[in-house]
Amino acid sequence: EPEVTQTPSHQVTQMGQEVILRCVPISNHLYFYWYRQILGQKVEFLVSFYNNEISEKSEIFDDQFSVERPDGSNFTLKIRSTKLEDSAMYFCASEGDSRGKGTEAFFGQGTRLTVV
Amino acid sequence: AQSVTQLGSHVSVSEGALVLLRCNYSSSVPPYLFWYVQYPNQGLQLLLKYTSAATLVKGINGFEAEFKKSETSFHLTKPSAHMSDAAEYFCAVRRNNRLAFGKGNQVVVIP
Repeated sequence: EPEVTQTPSHQVTQMGQEVILRCVPISNHLYFYWYRQILGQKVEFLVSFYNNEISEKSEIFDDQFSVERPDGSNFTLKIRSTKLEDSAMYFCASEGDSRGKGTEAFFGQGTRLTVV
Repeated sequence: AQSVTQLGSHVSVSEGALVLLRCNYSSSVPPYLFWYVQYPNQGLQLLLKYTSAATLVKGINGFEAEFKKSETSFHLTKPSAHMSDAAEYFCAVRRNNRLAFGKGNQVVVIP
């Protein structure tokens, strides 16, 4: 069964460093998302991406964050200068194909980012 | 704005007993509603979804949910809890390009 894969599963980084979280969405999907879950809190939307551009972003997604689809398979989230409060589980999701967006987003296993 | 409310962060249920997790939504348009499950150290897995078809939705692992417009609810139930149901459960509503999640219910199954 096709699935969304994320690497690494766990990343520890020092405050102020740049991190790139990687995702491989399901191959025929066209809509991509990043969410995050700070420990003990709800899952929060960060950004949606379609047709090589951001279609929507939340107030969390400030200038420190960027997303990119560098090739036909990867979808990345970059945090330029990490802060302690960026520590969270980051989930990638994908959905939809050429017929439309669909009704179900498929989530990856998540990357646990720890900023020290 | 569309949002969901889940009350009671921790829910304890005896093995074999009914599982009932409550979700109420607010939406200005007919909503798409979802229940996701997160097992320890794993990602979010879709249990079931409501997309304006049948109001009683059956999902995986014996779970089902009923959409009640008059009560703005989408409660999740399972007749008989199993030890493997121990997990965190999230209700979510679709809002344009994003899902808005509730705070989640951590389900503990007591043998």
